Amino acid sequence: AQSVTQPDIHITVSEGASLELRCNYSYGATPYLFWYVQSPGQGLQLLLKYFSGDTLVQGIKGFEAEFKRSQSSFNLRKPSVHWSDAAEYFCAVLDTPLVFGKGTRLSVIA
Amino acid sequence: DVKVTQSSRYLVKRTGEKVFLECVQDMDHENMFWYRQDPGLGLRLIYFSYDVKMKEKGDIPEGYSVSREKKERFSLILESTSTNQTSMYLCASQAGTGIRETQYFGPGTRLLVL
Repeated sequence: AQSVTQPDIHITVSEGASLELRCNYSYGATPYLFWYVQSPGQGLQLLLKYFSGDTLVQGIKGFEAEFKRSQSSFNLRKPSVHWSDAAEYFCAVLDTPLVFGKGTRLSVIA
Repeated sequence: DVKVTQSSRYLVKRTGEKVFLECVQDMDHENMFWYRQDPGLGLRLIYFSYDVKMKEKGDIPEGYSVSREKKERFSLILESTSTNQTSMYLCASQAGTGIRETQYFGPGTRLLVL
C-alpha cells in the first residue's frame, strides 16, 4: 500500500519569508500526488496536483510543488508567506482512493 | 463551483446515542467519501461509495455504517456513539472514476461525545 510521510508536525515562519513543506511518499510506480490546505474551521481545499509531465507544478495562492522521483518527494513551496497562509497542509497520494499524510500545521508570525 | 454541504457543523451527543451525519453534493458526482480527522493522525478514510446503494469500507469502518440511497447524499451513521468517536468528520465528493479527478470537501462536522 502507498503511504505518505510529512516529517514536520508544526512549522513557524515569519510573514514574507519563504516556505517549504516536506512530503515523502512510498509507491512502486508513478504516483499521483496532491497538496491540500485546511484553514481553521474549514474543509480541505486542493492547492495543486501532479500526475505526469513537468515536475514543477503550479497551484493556487502562489504555491508550487516539485516532484523528485529520486528522493520520493513532493515538497510544497511558496516564495513569500502571507499571514493568511496559516493553516494545516496535507500531502496525499492516490491509492484509490487518496491516502493522506498526517499534516503539517503552519503558523505565521509578524 | 462544486458545493459539498454537511448537515451540522457542531454536535454534542451522549454515549450510546445514535447519530446521523449527512453530506450532500450538488455536482452529480459519482464518488463520495467519509473521513475522520484527529490531531496527529491526519485524515483516515471510514467509508466510501462509488455509486448509489454501493459502499466500500475504508481504513477504519468499525463502529460506523453508511447509506447512499440517492446520488447526491451520503450519510454516515454512528449506531451507538462512544467517547472515542469524538472527532472532526469530513465528507468529500469526486466526479467519475478517473484517477485525475479532484476530491471536494465539505466544511466538516465536529462531534463531541460525552
